Amino acid sequence: EIVMTQSPATLSVSPGERATLSCRASQIVSSNLAWYQQKPGQAPRLLIYGASTRATGIPARFSGSGSGTEFTLTISSLQSEDFAVYYCQQYNSWPPDTFGPGTKVDIK
Amino acid sequence: EMQLVESGGGLVQPGGSLRLSCAASGFTFSSYAMSWVRQAPGKGLEWVSTISASGNTTFYADSVKGRFTLSRDSSKNTLHLQMNSLRVEDTAVYYCAKRLGRVVITGAFDIWGQGTMVTVSS
Repeated sequence: EIVMTQSPATLSVSPGERATLSCRASQIVSSNLAWYQQKPGQAPRLLIYGASTRATGIPARFSGSGSGTEFTLTISSLQSEDFAVYYCQQYNSWPPDTFGPGTKVDIK
Repeated sequence: EMQLVESGGGLVQPGGSLRLSCAASGFTFSSYAMSWVRQAPGKGLEWVSTISASGNTTFYADSVKGRFTLSRDSSKNTLHLQMNSLRVEDTAVYYCAKRLGRVVITGAFDIWGQGTMVTVSS
């Protein structure tokens, strides 16, 4: 089973600043990686799939990069609605799907 | 609008059973693999099970294998998760989720339900 790790666990950012979140896979997952945003009491929302393709309706300030084992989610200019927990998921070596433990982005 | 609505959660004693359902609308249900993902209170996301678009193939996490059974009724656009021999550690919000790509068994989850809470406690 592929183990996903995310760093940092918590990222404190001021509105308007750039946020960079990292995700690492224990084995190569090619570009078969997705990012999700989850707000309290809500279901996860797909942001990025294929490591770098934005899902339908996702603002351009969200971008994904990386391949192999190292991946990055960048939020170019944080808006108030972006404070949430972000998870990465690999779907290359399946089953099982595996998720990272999450990065919480909170207000600095 | 594509939508998934879960139902069937509740409080059950250890060793008991529960059946979750997920009603799909707004897309061709029979063309997509469907899954359940759960989230224990204050914890991260854990994949539970996936069923192929045709319904012929199912996959389970080791933690639920032999206890949970996933099925689908494409005539009613509904997914069912039968959960038996429930344990305290099965306590979680259970989300129904749709795979992004048509027919393919794996991939990102592009549509999620609102979740249904399952509490296993004596």
